[in-house]
Amino acid sequence: GDSVTQMEGPVTLSEEAFLTINCTYTATGYPSLFWYVQYPGEGLQLLLKATKADDKGSNKGFEATYRKETTSFHLEKGSVQVSDSAVYFCALSEGQFYFGTGTSLTVIP
Amino acid sequence: GAGVSQSPSNKVTEKGKDVELRCDPISGHTALYWYRQSLGQGLEFLIYFQGNSAPDKSGLPSDRFSAERTGGSVSTLTIQRTQQEDSAVYLCASSPGGPRIETQYFGPGTRLLVL
Repeated sequence: GDSVTQMEGPVTLSEEAFLTINCTYTATGYPSLFWYVQYPGEGLQLLLKATKADDKGSNKGFEATYRKETTSFHLEKGSVQVSDSAVYFCALSEGQFYFGTGTSLTVIP
Repeated sequence: GAGVSQSPSNKVTEKGKDVELRCDPISGHTALYWYRQSLGQGLEFLIYFQGNSAPDKSGLPSDRFSAERTGGSVSTLTIQRTQQEDSAVYLCASSPGGPRIETQYFGPGTRLLVL
């Protein structure tokens, strides 16, 4: 069945460091892919999405490219800020939503 | 406009009691989802409503769990005879509807603690 596997955390980075959070998926068809973010004390909110192969989703300096050949949707940001500290969830949708287990990111000044 | 709201925000109950969790989706959204988020775990799908169609209950973990959606809007998740392992954050999300690939909009969740 469909599933999402994402990099385990927690991840701790210094401000302005480069961020990669890996996400790979298993799907029978052509899913849409998402990254959701959960800031401390808040609900999940959509960060970015891509609906077909080779699409790049981007928002707030974060990017992720839908790679069908490697079944991946890795999240990247060139220079993280303290305000990026949150839990990040990779998800796919193909008739039903499947979420990864979440990766906690802490950015220290 | 208003987002998805959930109530209560926190609920503490004793083992064996029944609880009801409420979700108000975004107005006009026809799709509604319930998830459970346990400590250190990802989101576990529970149930999905789409318009007037029969709900997808495939994620409900046991027959102690049930959910209703009245008038295509507000939804209530009921847990009967609560157990300690039911302690988790229960999240509700809604989406405009149509194919189940639409972006979901999440509520703040209800944190349930079963003593």
